[in-house]
Amino acid sequence: QPVLTQPPSSSASPGESARLTCTLPSDINVGSYNIYWYQQKPGSPPRYLLYYYSDSDKGQGSGVPSRFSGSKDASANTGILLISGLQSEDEADYYCMIWPSNAVVFGGGTKLTVL
Amino acid sequence: EVQLVESGGGLVQPGGSLKLSCAASGFTFSGSAMHWVRQASGKGLEWVGRIRSKANSYATAYAASVKGRFTISRDDSKNTAYLQMNSLKTEDTAVYYCTRRAAAGVFDYWGQGTLVTVSS
Repeated sequence: QPVLTQPPSSSASPGESARLTCTLPSDINVGSYNIYWYQQKPGSPPRYLLYYYSDSDKGQGSGVPSRFSGSKDASANTGILLISGLQSEDEADYYCMIWPSNAVVFGGGTKLTVL
Repeated sequence: EVQLVESGGGLVQPGGSLKLSCAASGFTFSGSAMHWVRQASGKGLEWVGRIRSKANSYATAYAASVKGRFTISRDDSKNTAYLQMNSLKTEDTAVYYCTRRAAAGVFDYWGQGTLVTVSS
């Protein structure tokens, strides 16, 4: 199964933006996949945030603020979760996910600290 | 209100077996594919496997790490999915979540999880 690479940690201050990345292996083209993003806080199950395929094919989870958005950087073969206007409640672990075939693959997760 | 409630976790010795249940309510369970995802303490999410709906022949698929040891089934009359775990290893110790696959491949609802500890 492919490995999705996420930085183990990231930090930003309240009000700033956080850009979380999810890099696909070179043999898998990010342009061919939906990139899903989940948020998980300690002691809770994951929460679906959004998926992004393209600007015309994307989806936001129910109740997820619009300051959470997705994109891709094809040159880096990377999916991106952008969180603007950071709030203290955004401090959590964030996981990306893809469906490469009949299986599901999660990234290792990024712990976001809101300073 | 959609609810997924896992049960059946506990302490089991290496080589033993355990069967987890995921009771669903608030949606048309019979039409939904159900997945299991696990998370070892302090670690990331790991997909375990899934079972599709009757319309998709109840097809199953598993992660390589559990294939041949774990079996997913469902009883649509009880709105319940199951995860039968055999030949358990210490590395199977984790919180096991069930989740529903919705449109566009989204896992939109998750249970609270049930803890499985494999230890002698």
